[in-house]
Amino acid sequence: ETVLTQSPAILSLSPGERATLSCRASQSVSSYLAWYQQKPGQAPRLLIYDASNRATGIPARFSGSGSGTDFTLTISSLEPEDFAVYYCQQRDSWPNTFGQGTKLDIK
Amino acid sequence: EVQLVESGGGLVQPGRSLRLSCTVSGFNFDDFGMHWVRQAPGKGLEWVSSISWNSDSVNYADSVKGRFTISRDNAKKSLFLTLNNLRAEDTAFYYCVKGVGYPSAYFDFWGQGTRVTVSA
Repeated sequence: ETVLTQSPAILSLSPGERATLSCRASQSVSSYLAWYQQKPGQAPRLLIYDASNRATGIPARFSGSGSGTDFTLTISSLEPEDFAVYYCQQRDSWPNTFGQGTKLDIK
Repeated sequence: EVQLVESGGGLVQPGRSLRLSCTVSGFNFDDFGMHWVRQAPGKGLEWVSSISWNSDSVNYADSVKGRFTISRDNAKKSLFLTLNNLRAEDTAFYYCVKGVGYPSAYFDFWGQGTRVTVSA
């Protein structure tokens, strides 16, 4: 099973700052990686798929990069609504797995 | 508008059973593989089970294999998950999720979830 490790566990930033979230895979997942955002009391929402493609309706301030084992989700300038938990997920190998999440907190 | 609405959750004793349902609208249900993903209280996401568009292929996480059964009714645009021999560790929100790709998939639309609590 491919283990995804996200860092940091908690990231405290202010609106307007740049956020950089990391996801590291225990083995190569090629580019088959997605990012999700989950706000309290809500279901997750797909942000990025295939490492760097934004899902429908996702603002351009969200971008993804990486391949193989190291991936990054970048939020260029944080809006108040971006403070949430972010998960990465791989679909390269079975079973598909999620990272443990990074909580993006308001500083 | 894509909508997925789960129902059937509740409080159940260990060893008992429950059947979750999900009714969908806004997309061609019988074109897509479907999945259940769960989230224990305060924890992360765990894929539970998936089913192909025509029910020919089903998959389960090791943690639920032999206890849970996934099924679907394309005519009724509905997805089901039967949970047998429930354990305390099955306590979670269960999300009905539309997949992109099968069996490996991304999850592009999610229901709001139904809560399952297993406790004596």
